[in-house]
Amino acid sequence: DTGVSQDPRHKITKRGQNVTFRCDPISEHNRLYWYRQTLGQGPEFLTYFQNEAQLEKSRLLSDRFSAERPKGSFSTLEIQRTEQGDSAMYLCASSLASGRMNEQFFGPGTRLTVL
Amino acid sequence: AQSVTQLDSQVPVFEEAPVELRCNYSSSVSVYLFWYVQYPNQGLQLLLKYLSGSTLVKGINGFEAEFNKSQTSFHLRKPSVHISDTAEYFCAVSERTGTASKLTFGTGTRLQVTL
Repeated sequence: DTGVSQDPRHKITKRGQNVTFRCDPISEHNRLYWYRQTLGQGPEFLTYFQNEAQLEKSRLLSDRFSAERPKGSFSTLEIQRTEQGDSAMYLCASSLASGRMNEQFFGPGTRLTVL
Repeated sequence: AQSVTQLDSQVPVFEEAPVELRCNYSSSVSVYLFWYVQYPNQGLQLLLKYLSGSTLVKGINGFEAEFNKSQTSFHLRKPSVHISDTAEYFCAVSERTGTASKLTFGTGTRLQVTL
């Protein structure tokens, strides 16, 4: 079990550029979540997938944000036309779906800085 | 919708002293409750969770928490802290019902342990 991995760990970009982040969940986990954490705040839910289906999106996920999980394994989060307000830590988590609430395992995050 | 309040943004404490980190929540439905810890430049790690049963739950690293339904609280305690406990601690809730399992986090409490 290698845990949840995220790539890149850090990304610096200029305002207006597009960025894409990748998340590889724990292999047998069928649920995958994206959260955003800004400085001094707790993580905020963005979206989640069960297998390849995107089941819920937060209102925080503007039209500039899109997430995919094409084969129910890894996921990508793309931000188009980045703004300075997008600067944050983007966290990915995975879990098993079952009748009881299962623990979400978090990756180390991707820290985005928009200049 | 749920919300989580962590009233203390920072808690300074001497090593080997006891500590309590407070968490209150608000929800119109029954919830599961969690405490996560975040060390610098790392993702979140689950400390403990309350799903059902005994209201006193024990977690890793000597931490425990007590669920109080009437006060809608889930305070985290440790009888004797260590320097290595210095970190950010997040309380989180998730709905029990339906398929949604996203976490709603508080703003975090920075535990600073000194000699």
